[in-house]
Amino acid sequence: AQTVTQSQPEMSVQEAETVTLSCTYDTSESDYYLFWYKQPPSRQMILVIRQEAYKQQNATENRFSVNFQKAAKSFSLKISDSQLGDAAMYFCAYYNNDMRFGAGTRLTVKP
Amino acid sequence: DADVTQTPRNRITKTGKRIMLECSQTKGHDRMYWYRQDPGLGLRLIYYSFDVKDINKGEISDGYSVSRQAQAKFSLSLESAIPNQTALYFCATSDSGTSGSNEQFFGPGTRLTVL
Repeated sequence: AQTVTQSQPEMSVQEAETVTLSCTYDTSESDYYLFWYKQPPSRQMILVIRQEAYKQQNATENRFSVNFQKAAKSFSLKISDSQLGDAAMYFCAYYNNDMRFGAGTRLTVKP
Repeated sequence: DADVTQTPRNRITKTGKRIMLECSQTKGHDRMYWYRQDPGLGLRLIYYSFDVKDINKGEISDGYSVSRQAQAKFSLSLESAIPNQTALYFCATSDSGTSGSNEQFFGPGTRLTVL
């Protein structure tokens, strides 16, 4: 079964600085999708960024970018110019027929 | 207006009671999902449905059942609730169409407490 591991239960970053959240996954499939979701205190799940495994180019969405290393099965999220509104739980997820989530990383942003 | 709605938003019930959580969507998506979220465990898939006549068990289906009443409605039932089913429950939808992104859109969640 596919598993997703987020090894950092909590992370902290200073406002305007850059932070990287780690995610690794285990799969024998070659075609799949990877996602980062954000869950603020409102508990709403919000898509941050997605990556198709067949694409070598790393996805980017404004201040959010990923480092996708397919051979290493690694999918880290980089947040640049961190803002107070970025404080939330961040979940990495893997999709191939069904979605598997990591346990999450709680990000704190210090003013 | 919310695209994916869940009712109720919060519910407290007693051990042994039957409870139904409802999910409706206006996104026109064919696929619907139920997850539960527990602290330190992330979200885990309970059941999913790829169309009205298709129901599949997820990672943790024991103690739960579902009904896909229409393309837009997907209900989750706890036949006899127990305290370890206390959790945050999410409904989600996705589109199997040509966009192929497999992005899932989540409802606001239902906080269920079983005493």
